[in-house]
Parts: sequence; C-alpha cells; structure tokens
Amino acid sequence: DVKVTQSSRYLVKRTGEKVFLECVQDMDHENMFWYRQDPGLGLRLIYFSYDVKMKEKGDIPEGYSVSREKKERFSLILESASTNQTSMYLCASSLRGGRGEKLFFGSGTQLSVL
Amino acid sequence: DQQVKQNSPSLSVQEGRISILNCDYTNSMFDYFLWYKKYPAEGPTFLISISSIKDKNEDGRFTVFLNKSAKHLSLHIVPSQPGDSAVYFCAAPFYQKVTFGTGTKLQVIP
Repeated sequence: DVKVTQSSRYLVKRTGEKVFLECVQDMDHENMFWYRQDPGLGLRLIYFSYDVKMKEKGDIPEGYSVSREKKERFSLILESASTNQTSMYLCASSLRGGRGEKLFFGSGTQLSVL
Repeated sequence: DQQVKQNSPSLSVQEGRISILNCDYTNSMFDYFLWYKKYPAEGPTFLISISSIKDKNEDGRFTVFLNKSAKHLSLHIVPSQPGDSAVYFCAAPFYQKVTFGTGTKLQVIP
C-alpha cells in the first residue's frame, strides 16, 4: 500500500514564525501536492510538484513556498505564519500518468497559528 | 473561481435508504472525475471514478453518474450504512492539477 507520511499531526506556532511541514511518500510517485482544508471551502490546492525541483502554483499559493529536493519528499514552508493560515494541511502523491491517477493522502497536519 | 462545486454542505439519510451527492463543474475541458471520502482526522481516500466517455460507473453500493451536457455528476450510495457517514469530495484532474469541490458531509442515521 502507498504510504504518505506527514511529520506532525498537530502543530502550534506563533504569528511570524517560519513553519515547515514535511511530507514523505514511499511509492516512487512523480506528483506531490499540498492542500489545505477549511470548513465550507473544501480542499484548496496550494502547490504541486510533478518532478524533483519542479513546482507549480495551485489556487492559493500566497504566503507559502515549497521545496522538492528529493522525489519522495515535498515540504511546505510558511515564511511568516499568520493566523489566517490556521488550517488542516493535507499532502498527497500520485503517479504521473493518465488523467485517472488517484491521489493518495497523508493523515493531515492541523496547524494552529496563535 | 470555483470550478468544481458541491452545493449541499450536508445531507442526512436514514440507514438503508439511498444517498445522492451532487457535484457541478464549469470547465468543459474536464474529462475525468473522482470521488473521495474523508473521515475526521484522516486523509481523503479514493472511492470511485468516471471517465467522460461513460455516463455511469458502478462499484458495489456506489454508482457515479455523469451528465456532460449539464456539467453535473452525482454519487449514489445504496443502501446507505452508518459507516458511510463522512465528508465526500468530488474532484477533477486537469493535466497534473487536481481540483476538489467543497465537500458534502453525509450523516447516515441508524
């Protein structure tokens, strides 16, 4: 089974802190994604990557950056955390292939910015 | 611009009855759709998919219908079970980008 592991289940940070969210997948997937889930807004795509060192902006990239130095690892960085970045963050991976490739998700990181 | 919309935030259904979850999309270039199910404190898991060359796909108790002219798809769960209580998301991939809807929280009442 595909395993997508997010480094923390819960995280509490202060406004202005730099925050790193780490994600590792073990199935040699080309594509990796970062979403955030907020009540009433569903899953919104922040960034995705289709190859090492490649990244593409999603729908809400402002205030975030990403890093993909190795194929299995995709990091989300909040350069200066703000309270409106309090959210559930979900990492996912998929094979690069046809349109029907399924996304496999991690369990999520609930981030609170105080 | 919300390209994938789920207009019902919640739905309650009696156990044994049919659950119908709806999803609308605006981008006519979408040609493949997936449904995901999410329990609290877990990541979403894949449930069922449909290609635009079909108008129906069935997997056990789950059936997805696609109406391309209306840009509408629906997920039917028959019969509904209490374990189906979760948030359901429809999703549409476009090249490498996957767009999700806002989700519908289904509650199946025993």
